[in-house]
Amino acid sequence: DGGITQSPKYLFRKEGQNVTLSCEQNLNHDAMYWYRQDPGQGLRLIYYSQIVNDFQKGDIAEGYSVSREKKESFPLTVTSAQKNPTAFYLCASSDPGTQETQYFGPGTRLLVL
Amino acid sequence: AQSVTQLDSHVSVSEGTPVLLRCNYSSSYSPSLFWYVQHPNKGLQLLLKYTSAATLVKGINGFEAEFKKSETSFHLTKPSAHMSDAAEYFCVVSEGGYNKLIFGAGTRLAVHP
Repeated sequence: DGGITQSPKYLFRKEGQNVTLSCEQNLNHDAMYWYRQDPGQGLRLIYYSQIVNDFQKGDIAEGYSVSREKKESFPLTVTSAQKNPTAFYLCASSDPGTQETQYFGPGTRLLVL
Repeated sequence: AQSVTQLDSHVSVSEGTPVLLRCNYSSSYSPSLFWYVQHPNKGLQLLLKYTSAATLVKGINGFEAEFKKSETSFHLTKPSAHMSDAAEYFCVVSEGGYNKLIFGAGTRLAVHP
């Protein structure tokens, strides 16, 4: 059963703490993405990776970091430098044959304690 | 630069009546356009995609959209709404190249019995 999984579904962060959101795909997609969604807004791109061991900043990368050590995994770390981390985070991947079509995971909701 | 405007933030229809969700775009290129649907606290699901083939695009769950270059529009329609169609809908344009998607702010569709 192919797809994109994200964990956890809900995550709580304390002040000054770094937290890591997991994203795994078994679709054999080369490209993976992280988006942030705030209420009443569309998605904004945080980081993307076209290939293993390479990634690029998106529109709102400040306060976030990523790694891409394996094709199927693209974890996102929300650092303490991100002052307003409360949001819904969505991971996506795209098909090497149809790069523009992105497929999304179920999302992780991050809340600050 | 490319942009997407969803003309209605909320649309309310009765079950069994037609649905119209409006989207205008601006693009310097021949764009690819998408509609995604998001149910509460879920990821995004692709409804349909336009990539310069037929201007009338049929998607899943009875939805379709028509690309009108002269009007720079890509409105989403469905002849008869179901209760299960209640969700948020995003119009998306591709900036071309590697996977730069620009999201509209979303339209929340409510379906009443």
